[in-house]
Amino acid sequence: TQLLEQSPQFLSIQEGENLTVYCNSSSVFSSLQWYRQEPGEGPVLLVTVVTGGEVKKLKRLTFQFGDARKDSSLHITAAQPGDTGLYLCAGVKAAGNKLTFGGGTRVLVKP
Amino acid sequence: KAGVTQTPRYLIKTRGQQVTLSCSPISGHRSVSWYQQTPGQGLQFLFEYFSETQRNKGNFPGRFSGRQFSNSRSEMNVSTLELGDSALYLCASSAAGGGSKNIQYFGAGTRLSVL
Repeated sequence: TQLLEQSPQFLSIQEGENLTVYCNSSSVFSSLQWYRQEPGEGPVLLVTVVTGGEVKKLKRLTFQFGDARKDSSLHITAAQPGDTGLYLCAGVKAAGNKLTFGGGTRVLVKP
Repeated sequence: KAGVTQTPRYLIKTRGQQVTLSCSPISGHRSVSWYQQTPGQGLQFLFEYFSETQRNKGNFPGRFSGRQFSNSRSEMNVSTLELGDSALYLCASSAAGGGSKNIQYFGAGTRLSVL
């Protein structure tokens, strides 16, 4: 059973469209991280959100942390083929480096 | 600065054998964590070592073990391999003790196939 549920599992869109990926949990985490993983590589950290209600922007990517610190979303505006990859959310508890990952959302942006 | 290096990149073993995977963290990093990634279960935490001591452990059987050396390099060992152990094994290193603001850097992984 995944503590962090990601939806959808797969998204296929055309270049220029927008997309949103959701990450939900019944547990409270001290922070949530979003990663992108490409084939043959390890996950690469995109952002960490710490404060409930926090919104962070990274170029065309917008990340939001829910007020109760149990859920998060990633929104991509005007997606490009370079955004193709596996997007993973991961929860961090207060101490240590243990990451609890969601199941991932595979995004395919077609030119 | 070199990134996290995992060796070997690919490995093929048969059931019942044992395997050792290696991870060299970023220079200066003292924490090394190991994860297993499979299509069915996703990324699951195996264990974390910090300054040669196991600090956290996931829910994996005792066949999975690890250690960390004084230079922070880490190895993980899987004994009596099963078909279900086929996976991408990822190592992540970080500088600090942990917590919300700590950044972990992942290696490219070792893909293990058990036949």
